[in-house]
Amino acid sequence: DVKVTQSSRYLVKRTGEKVFLECVQDMDHENMFWYRQDPGLGLRLIYFSYDVKMKEKGDIPEGYSVSREKKERFSLILESASTNQTSMYLCASRLRENGHNEQFFGPGTRLTVL
Amino acid sequence: DAKTTQPTSMDCAEGRAANLPCNHSTISGNEYVYWYRQIHSQGPQYIIHGLKNNETNEMASLIITEDRKSSTLILPHATLRDTAVYYCIVSNQAGTALIFGKGTTLSVSS
Repeated sequence: DVKVTQSSRYLVKRTGEKVFLECVQDMDHENMFWYRQDPGLGLRLIYFSYDVKMKEKGDIPEGYSVSREKKERFSLILESASTNQTSMYLCASRLRENGHNEQFFGPGTRLTVL
Repeated sequence: DAKTTQPTSMDCAEGRAANLPCNHSTISGNEYVYWYRQIHSQGPQYIIHGLKNNETNEMASLIITEDRKSSTLILPHATLRDTAVYYCIVSNQAGTALIFGKGTTLSVSS
């Protein structure tokens, strides 16, 4: 089974802190994604990466950056956390070669910014 | 990606078939229909996808109408663990993000 793990299930940070959310997948997938999920807004794409050292902005990249130094790891960085970044963060990966949009999701990190 | 329309909620008795409808009247020729579900406090989980033929796997069956404007996800013998939000998504092969709408909340009861 494909496994996508995220570093924390729950995280509480203070406004202005730098926050790192880590995502690791064990199936050698090229593509990785970061979404956030908020009530009434569904899942929204923050950033995605087609492969190592590649990154593309999604629909809501403001206030976030990402890092993909190794194929299995995709990190989401909140440079200076704000209360409006309180959300559920979901990481996903996808095997590029099969050409289908079958994404495998991690369990999510619920981040609270105080 | 095309927009989909799903009922807000549905109920199903344990052991019975759950039939979840989805309308995607503006789907284009190269777009697939994907179904995902999200159990409370977990990440979404892929269920099945199809282009125009009916599809079946170990989790579910997908019935797509001939004009491709609607589809139905069938869970043949629903269990309590199938209680979740089910999302119908239309996406092409080159698509990146999955655009999740509000989905259908399926409640399976004993």
